[in-house]
Amino acid sequence: EAQVTQNPRYLITVTGKKLTVTCSQNMNHEYMSWYRQDPGLGLRQIYYSMNVEVTDKGDVPEGYKVSRKEKRNFPLILESPSPNQTSLYFCASSVVAGDFSYEQYFGPGTRLTVT
Amino acid sequence: KNEVEQSPQNLTAQEGEFITINCSYSVGISALHWLQQHPGGGIVSLFMLSSGKKKHGRLIATINIQEKHSSLHITASHPRDSAVYICAVWRLGYQLIWGAGTKLIIKP
Repeated sequence: EAQVTQNPRYLITVTGKKLTVTCSQNMNHEYMSWYRQDPGLGLRQIYYSMNVEVTDKGDVPEGYKVSRKEKRNFPLILESPSPNQTSLYFCASSVVAGDFSYEQYFGPGTRLTVT
Repeated sequence: KNEVEQSPQNLTAQEGEFITINCSYSVGISALHWLQQHPGGGIVSLFMLSSGKKKHGRLIATINIQEKHSSLHITASHPRDSAVYICAVWRLGYQLIWGAGTKLIIKP
């Protein structure tokens, strides 16, 4: 079954404790992306990756890191989480063709609370 | 001003009504995406458009590139259509910019 998986689904942590949210897709997609969703602000892009070893900042990259060492995985790293990073996070992937990506497939979301 | 504006923000209708959700954007785009977010949080892609019109079941999406406007229509609406509908545009350069979403409630 084609899918994007994220782990963990729920996480409560404390300020400053490094954490990683994993994202994996089994569709051999080139494009992967991380978003955060906050009430009243909608979804905002954190980072995206066009292919292995190619990553770019989205609209809200501060406080986050990513890596793309393998095509299927795109982990999101919070080196020193702060309460303003409490949010719902989505990973997504898609095929790339021409000058844009095709429809995105989304993971189930990770609800992160930083106290 | 947001680069992607959706209207209305909230919409409540009776079962069977014809629904229209609008999306306007102010940037150059390569394509526009309509998505649906279920009450449980999951996001599903509905349509990807770069011109014209697409139809899938009771859902129809149109886009007018010159006017920078897109509409999502639902015919014969049903309570299971209740969700948040989100418009997002692929800005030239592989960034996806999201609208704030339209919360739709269909009452039986």
